[in-house]
Amino acid sequence: GDSVTQMEGPVTLSEEAFLTINCTYTATGYPSLFWYVQYPGEGLQLLLKATKADDKGSNKGFEATYRKETTSFHLEKGSVQVSDSAVYFCALSDRAAGNKLTFGGGTRVLVKP
Amino acid sequence: KAGVTQTPRYLIKTRGQQVTLSCSPISGHRSVSWYQQTPGQGLQFLFEYFSETQRNKGNFPGRFSGRQFSNSRSEMNVSTLELGDSALYLCASSLEQGQGTEAFFGQGTRLTVV
Repeated sequence: GDSVTQMEGPVTLSEEAFLTINCTYTATGYPSLFWYVQYPGEGLQLLLKATKADDKGSNKGFEATYRKETTSFHLEKGSVQVSDSAVYFCALSDRAAGNKLTFGGGTRVLVKP
Repeated sequence: KAGVTQTPRYLIKTRGQQVTLSCSPISGHRSVSWYQQTPGQGLQFLFEYFSETQRNKGNFPGRFSGRQFSNSRSEMNVSTLELGDSALYLCASSLEQGQGTEAFFGQGTRLTVV
């Protein structure tokens, strides 16, 4: 079945540091890939997505590129802020499974001033 | 426009009881999915409803069930509660069903089973 693996946290960074969260996936079909973010006490919010190989999703300074050859979708941000402290989830959806999302385990990011 | 609304936000139940959680999707969205979030298992898919029909189901026992009404509102029910059912239950709504469709999540219902 489909699965998503992402680096375990917590990741602790100083403000303005570079952030990378690795994400790799296994899928039987040709999935769409997503990054969701969860702030304390809230549900998940879509951060960015990509639906085909070599697509780059971007939002709020975050970027991720759909790499079919390495089955990866790593999240990056060049300069993090304290407000980026949250839990980040990599996810995929397969065309055959409707809107079902398969999530990675989540990576907690803590940005210190 | 209003987001996804889940009620109640918090619940405390006793083992063996049953519970019903409610989800009102964004207006116009016909797809509603449910997820269970726990520290140990992470986010796991329960089921998806689209236009009142269950389109997909995760690997949960039959104690977990759901339904969707004609106005797209959805409920999930857990019968014979176990301690391990304690979790944050998240509902997500989507405009349609298809590749790359964005899911909008509610704030969740935190269920504690004692």
